[in-house]
Amino acid sequence: QVQLQESGPGLVKPSETLSLTCTVSGGSISDYYWTWIRQPPGKGLEWIGYIYDSGNTNYNPSLTSRVTMSVDTSKKQFSLRLSSVTAADTAVYYCARDSPMTDAFDIWGQGTMVTVYS
Amino acid sequence: QSALTQPASVSGSPGQSITISCTGTRSDVGGYNYVSWYQQHPGKAPKLMIYDVSNRPSGVSNRFSGSKSGNTASLTISGLQAEDEADYYCSSYTTSSTRVFGGGTKLTVL
Repeated sequence: QVQLQESGPGLVKPSETLSLTCTVSGGSISDYYWTWIRQPPGKGLEWIGYIYDSGNTNYNPSLTSRVTMSVDTSKKQFSLRLSSVTAADTAVYYCARDSPMTDAFDIWGQGTMVTVYS
Repeated sequence: QSALTQPASVSGSPGQSITISCTGTRSDVGGYNYVSWYQQHPGKAPKLMIYDVSNRPSGVSNRFSGSKSGNTASLTISGLQAEDEADYYCSSYTTSSTRVFGGGTKLTVL
C-alpha cells in the first residue's frame, strides 16, 4: 500500500528556511496532488498547498509569499521550502496525497515536528 | 481564506448519536460537493473518514455518515463507541482551487 514519509531538520532558526521532503513508496507519484499540511501544537490543521506531478502548484494565500514546493518524480519525492520562518511556524508538518478519485486527503505521512528556535 | 466553523467540542454517551457541524460559505462548502472529514487521535496523523460529502472509504465503519445543506456540512456518528473519542476536522475545496480546514471538534465519549 502507498506510504508517505517526511524527512528534514527538526530545528530551524528564525529567519531561516524550513526544508522538508516527503518520499512516496508503494505506489505511483503520477496523477495526484501532493500536499503539505501543518498543525501547530494544540491547534488545528492548516493547508499549506499542493504540487501536481507535472510541477503545477497552488499555495495557501496566507503563505504564498514564503512557500515553494518542488517534485522529483524519478525519486518519487516532493519537497516544501518555507522561508523567513518565525516561532509561529513551529508545527507538526504532514505530507498527504490529495486524490482526484476522492477529492480528499486519503493517505498521510506520520508527520514531523519542526521547531523554530533562537 | 477563512477557516470553516466547527463547534469546539461535542460529547455523547456510548450507543448514542452525535452530529458535528461544519459551516462555510458559497465559496467553499456551499459551492462544491467536495467536503471531507478526518479523525485524529492524540499524537497520530489524521485519517480520512468521509469524502465528497457523504462517501465512506473502504474500511470505515458505517456508523459514520456525512451530509450537507447549503453552506453547512455535517458528520454524524451513530452508536458511539469509546474509540470514537478523538478530534474531528472537516475540509472543503474552494473557488481558488485551494483547500480549507475547519478549526476542529473534540469529541468526548462520556
